[in-house]
Amino acid sequence: DTGVSQDPRHKITKRGQNVTFRCDPISEHNRLYWYRQTLGQGPEFLTYFQNEAQLEKSRLLSDRFSAERPKGSFSTLEIQRTEQGDSAMYLCASSSPEGVRAFFGQGTRLTVV
Amino acid sequence: EDQVTQSPEALRLQEGESSSLNCSYTVSGLRGLFWYRQDPGKGPEFLFTLYSAGEEKEKERLKATLTKKESFLHITAPKPEDSATYLCAVQARGGAQKLVFGQGTRLTINP
Repeated sequence: DTGVSQDPRHKITKRGQNVTFRCDPISEHNRLYWYRQTLGQGPEFLTYFQNEAQLEKSRLLSDRFSAERPKGSFSTLEIQRTEQGDSAMYLCASSSPEGVRAFFGQGTRLTVV
Repeated sequence: EDQVTQSPEALRLQEGESSSLNCSYTVSGLRGLFWYRQDPGKGPEFLFTLYSAGEEKEKERLKATLTKKESFLHITAPKPEDSATYLCAVQARGGAQKLVFGQGTRLTINP
């Protein structure tokens, strides 16, 4: 069990640029989640994959956000035309088919300047 | 809509001073209530899952309890290394089974 891995750990970008984050879940986990966490708040759900299918998206996920999970393995989260309000920690979590316990990665800290 | 409220927002204790953190929730069919610990700049680390009212779980100096409306995280004789933000989350039955988090309680244990 190598845990959930996220890359990069930190990203600083200029407003208007596109950014992409990667998440590698625990290998036998078929469920994958993306959350966003701002300072002093708990994580907020963004989107959910079961295998390669994206089954649920939050209203928080605007048209500038897109997520993929090709072949049901790693996942990417892309933000187009970044805005200062996108600055946050982006967390990835995975869980087994039973979905009982989610394991989180260390997150990607995005700063938009 | 599922909702979680944690109190207090921040708590300072002296080493050895026991206390409790509160998590009040509303959810359309509880599948599980989760407690996580989060250190600054890191992802949440799983502590406990509780499934039904009356259930209790313990780990070292921590004990989590659950009623139909709230959960408590009791910390007994805390040490400075217990300083962290403690997050409570609920998971509803069906659908994505996503976690709905509270805003967390920032706990500081002074030596």
